[in-house]
Amino acid sequence: AQKVTQAQTEISVVEKEDVTLDCVYETRDTTYYLFWYKQPPSGELVFLIRRNSFDEQNEISGRYSWNFQKSTSSFNFTITASQVVDSAVYFCALSENNNDMRFGAGTRLTVKP
Amino acid sequence: DTEVTQTPKHLVMGMTNKKSLKCEQHMGHRAMYWYKQKAKKPPELMFVYSYEKLSINESVPSRFSPECPNSSLLNLHLHALQPEDSALYLCASSVSGIYNEQFFGPGTRLTVL
Repeated sequence: AQKVTQAQTEISVVEKEDVTLDCVYETRDTTYYLFWYKQPPSGELVFLIRRNSFDEQNEISGRYSWNFQKSTSSFNFTITASQVVDSAVYFCALSENNNDMRFGAGTRLTVKP
Repeated sequence: DTEVTQTPKHLVMGMTNKKSLKCEQHMGHRAMYWYKQKAKKPPELMFVYSYEKLSINESVPSRFSPECPNSSLLNLHLHALQPEDSALYLCASSVSGIYNEQFFGPGTRLTVL
């Protein structure tokens, strides 16, 4: 069974602070894919990143960065210099062996001005 | 065109009604998905169509009936729903398999009275 845990239910920061959203996953498969999606108040999920289990390189995209560590089964997401527009619910998700897509419970991020 | 459209945006129906949700994409994607999302919960996968064939059915009650008339269109037919079926129904598409990044529509907010 696959499982994604996002232990942080809600996080509140002040604009320009850095914030890290945690994601821990469980799988017995050697081939799997990890994702992060953003769901702003409008409701539409927006794809942020995809990683396969064979690519442990960290990635940076502007103010966003991701740290994938197979040794700890974690795929954490950091926003640097947060902005009010970053306020949203962020979901980590896991897909293994082309079957199913399981989302974590989500972390609600509020960035205050 | 990098958009997934869904109609209607809102739907209110009685438990004896029959209605349909529609989803359309023109990105040439060959996989399409229906998700159900309850308030403050993550999306839950309901159905996956891959190359116009139903490939994953996550044990969804038969009162939900998916249909994929062609590679650009996805319908969800609703009949004899229960109030607990009230939720946001999200459609998504991806290039091919579920391991690819998915593009989501804005959703249909369904209320069953």
